[in-house]
Amino acid sequence: GDSVTQMEGPVTLSEEAFLTINCTYTATGYPSLFWYVQYPGEGLQLLLKATKADDKGSNKGFEATYRKETTSFHLEKGSVQVSDSAVYFCALSASGSGGGADGLTFGKGTHLIIQP
Amino acid sequence: GAVVSQHPSWVICKSGTSVKIECRSLDFQATTMFWYRQFPKQSLMLMATSNEGSKATYEQGVEKDKFLINHASLTLSTLTVTSAHPEDSSFYICSASGTQGAQPQHFGDGTRLSIL
Repeated sequence: GDSVTQMEGPVTLSEEAFLTINCTYTATGYPSLFWYVQYPGEGLQLLLKATKADDKGSNKGFEATYRKETTSFHLEKGSVQVSDSAVYFCALSASGSGGGADGLTFGKGTHLIIQP
Repeated sequence: GAVVSQHPSWVICKSGTSVKIECRSLDFQATTMFWYRQFPKQSLMLMATSNEGSKATYEQGVEKDKFLINHASLTLSTLTVTSAHPEDSSFYICSASGTQGAQPQHFGDGTRLSIL
């Protein structure tokens, strides 16, 4: 079946450091890929998405590129802030739709801690 | 942005009782709603998918008689855990999508269920 693997945390960085959270997937067909973020005490929020190979999703300074050849969707940010501290989930939608047509397959989540 | 409200956020009850969790889309019509379960330090696992006016589709291994799902309107879905036992203790999260799946899912804040 489909699966998502992401680096386990916690990942601790200093403010203004460069961030990479690795995410790889296995899926049949052509999935859509997502990054969700969960801030303390809140529900999951969509951070960015990509629906086809070579698409780059971006939001709030975060970027991720859909790499079909390496089945990866790594999350990056050039300069992190304390407010970026949260849990980040990589996910896929097997149907390749906008993400609302079928249940998502999630990674285990990566807890990111940014220190001042 | 789209808002999904989940209630209650935390419930404690005795073994053998039934618990109902509500999931409401507040500002859009949710043609599809999803229910997930999350164990500590694990990823979200899809339990079932429900479309308004139709019976829910359960994932393999999820007992449909234990977890009753009703999606009677375009803004409300409920999950009832029947005759709950301690092993049903978990974090339950709903999500909703509109426009026939063309848009990403929007998540509720989750319900922490503890069965004594």
